[in-house]
Amino acid sequence: GQQVMQIPQYQHVQEGEDFTTYCNSSTTLSNIQWYKQRPGGHPVFLIQLVKSGEVKKQKRLTFQFGEAKKNSSLHITATQTTDVGTYFCAGATSGTYKYIFGTGTRLKVLA
Amino acid sequence: ETGVTQTPRHLVMGMTNKKSLKCEQHLGHNAMYWYKQSAKKPLELMFVYNFKEQTENNSVPSRFSPECPNSSHLFLHLHTLQPEDSALYLCASSHPGLAGEETQYFGPGTRLLVL
Repeated sequence: GQQVMQIPQYQHVQEGEDFTTYCNSSTTLSNIQWYKQRPGGHPVFLIQLVKSGEVKKQKRLTFQFGEAKKNSSLHITATQTTDVGTYFCAGATSGTYKYIFGTGTRLKVLA
Repeated sequence: ETGVTQTPRHLVMGMTNKKSLKCEQHLGHNAMYWYKQSAKKPLELMFVYNFKEQTENNSVPSRFSPECPNSSHLFLHLHTLQPEDSALYLCASSHPGLAGEETQYFGPGTRLLVL
């Protein structure tokens, strides 16, 4: 079945450093979503990418969707303590709204 | 956020008990989802309902029984659970098929402990 892997599993950074998490799907996706889950909280939607090679920015966050629509990345510039949490990608294949979530990357930011 | 509510927030049950989890969405969405989130595991999709019809059952054991009486309410009936079923159960809703509205809005979850 479809699998979505993320690396790294954990990342500790000093405040102000950059952070990147990578998402890889075993199958071609129609679109990919990114979510953030704060400790003790629930996943909250960040963004959706649909087009091959698409790049979107939200302030310090940059999201990319691979040309083959099988991988994606989230890059945070100059991390802040408010960025702490687990970042999940979720991919869907064509004709379905069944999203398979990635394994997640837990980010810890040290002040 | 109060768009998707879940009750109870915490639940402790024995393996012989029967309990139900409730989810309600106030967003006018037509799809609702149950996910299981265990420690050190990715979010696992359990069930998907679209317009009250179950469209996905992700090989979930029969001790979990979903019910969707209308597009706003979703239940998960639990019976004879096992300790390994202890997890955070998350409900979500969305409006698939509407461009730009495929975002899933999650509820706060029910933290379940099976003894």
